[in-house]
Amino acid sequence: DTGVSQDPRHKITKRGQNVTFRCDPISEHNRLYWYRQTLGQGPEFLTYFQNEAQLEKSRLLSDRFSAERPKGSFSTLEIQRTEQGDSAMYLCASSPRSWENTIYFGEGSWLTVV
Amino acid sequence: QQQVKQSPQSLIVQKGGISIINCAYENTAFDYFPWYQQFPGKGPALLIAIRPDVSEKKEGRFTISFNKSAKQFSLHIMDSQPGDSATYFCAASKANSGYALNFGKGTSLLVTP
Repeated sequence: DTGVSQDPRHKITKRGQNVTFRCDPISEHNRLYWYRQTLGQGPEFLTYFQNEAQLEKSRLLSDRFSAERPKGSFSTLEIQRTEQGDSAMYLCASSPRSWENTIYFGEGSWLTVV
Repeated sequence: QQQVKQSPQSLIVQKGGISIINCAYENTAFDYFPWYQQFPGKGPALLIAIRPDVSEKKEGRFTISFNKSAKQFSLHIMDSQPGDSATYFCAASKANSGYALNFGKGTSLLVTP
């Protein structure tokens, strides 16, 4: 197991620009989750996929956010027209098989919007 | 709305002491309760987890105590070590939401030598 991999690890962008993060889950994990974490807070759920289907989205996931998992393997999270409030760590996680619920997190992608 | 409430916000324990972190939840549909450990700049790592059909689970120096009637659960770290200094998060999830985790706000633990 190589673990959940996220790229890039750090991103600084100007307000109004679009950014995209990529997540490669642990091999054969069919569930994939995105979370957002700000300093001093716990991770907040954004969305999750079972295979390629996006099954749940949080109210935190505004229209500027879109997530995809086109082939049920890697996933992307795109933020359009970034705002300073989007500055956070974006965490990807995965879990194996649909009846198991052990969730493994990646190292996160730090976003700073200036 | 915070679905899982965690306390204390911070904790200082001497080496060799017992660290205790408490969490409470309201949603009785939750059926999985993990604890995660997070070091600065890293993602959360699963430490130990429990289901509501057991009252206690122990793995090494880490123990979860679960009180279903009170809707509370706690993490006990025995013989705390400086290397345990990290932020700890409790969480809760339920099957019909894909086990998406609802996290507490975290406890910053400092173990002094």
